[in-house]
Amino acid sequence: DADVTQTPRNRITKTGKRIMLECSQTKGHDRMYWYRQDPGLGLRLIYYSFDVKDINKGEISDGYSVSRQAQAKFSLSLESAIPNQTALYFCATSGTDGGDHNEQFFGPGTRLTVL
Amino acid sequence: AQRVTQPEKLLSVFKGAPVELKCNYSYSGSPELFWYVQYSRQRLQLLLRHISRESIKGFTADLNKGETSFHLKKPFAQEEDSAMYYCALMGRRALTFGSGTRLQVQP
Repeated sequence: DADVTQTPRNRITKTGKRIMLECSQTKGHDRMYWYRQDPGLGLRLIYYSFDVKDINKGEISDGYSVSRQAQAKFSLSLESAIPNQTALYFCATSGTDGGDHNEQFFGPGTRLTVL
Repeated sequence: AQRVTQPEKLLSVFKGAPVELKCNYSYSGSPELFWYVQYSRQRLQLLLRHISRESIKGFTADLNKGETSFHLKKPFAQEEDSAMYYCALMGRRALTFGSGTRLQVQP
């Protein structure tokens, strides 16, 4: 589903570097989310945004920040990357109308490795 | 606090056998539950939601509020069902996912 895209798809970086992961969507959804996926832990919510002026911390927000530049764009930043932030990162969107209510649509993921 | 528990990390069955993927939840309000699936090299996608009471790809799931469960079932597994399955609970503002169960359907 090309409606939710993430860049980059893969990134290798070093400890202490600042990294930005970007998410764009063409679904016209107001709500956007960032998750990380780790083996055995499933998906854990990092941050979410219900509109451009609404940003909320999720379960594991420490070490991360976000920016909602527009309805269609939601970026995740690691201010100073550390090795235990090595994970697969997913962006998701959801709408509030009709049958899509609460269904989340996921991007393809970004595999981040911090050395 | 809301929580979703999937007790099995891996479930391996033979083709044609019945499948049940377990999901238990903890939530103080009225729950809205989902099953998401992730096939190899594909993105996570919605399989079904309890409010629709639908059957998708032969899978069904019934919400049991007494047992706080939302188990996913299929009477006859197919090899193409092999994937990672996540149960998710919609709380006040966001989804909480379980840790996932990998289903392996052997020929």
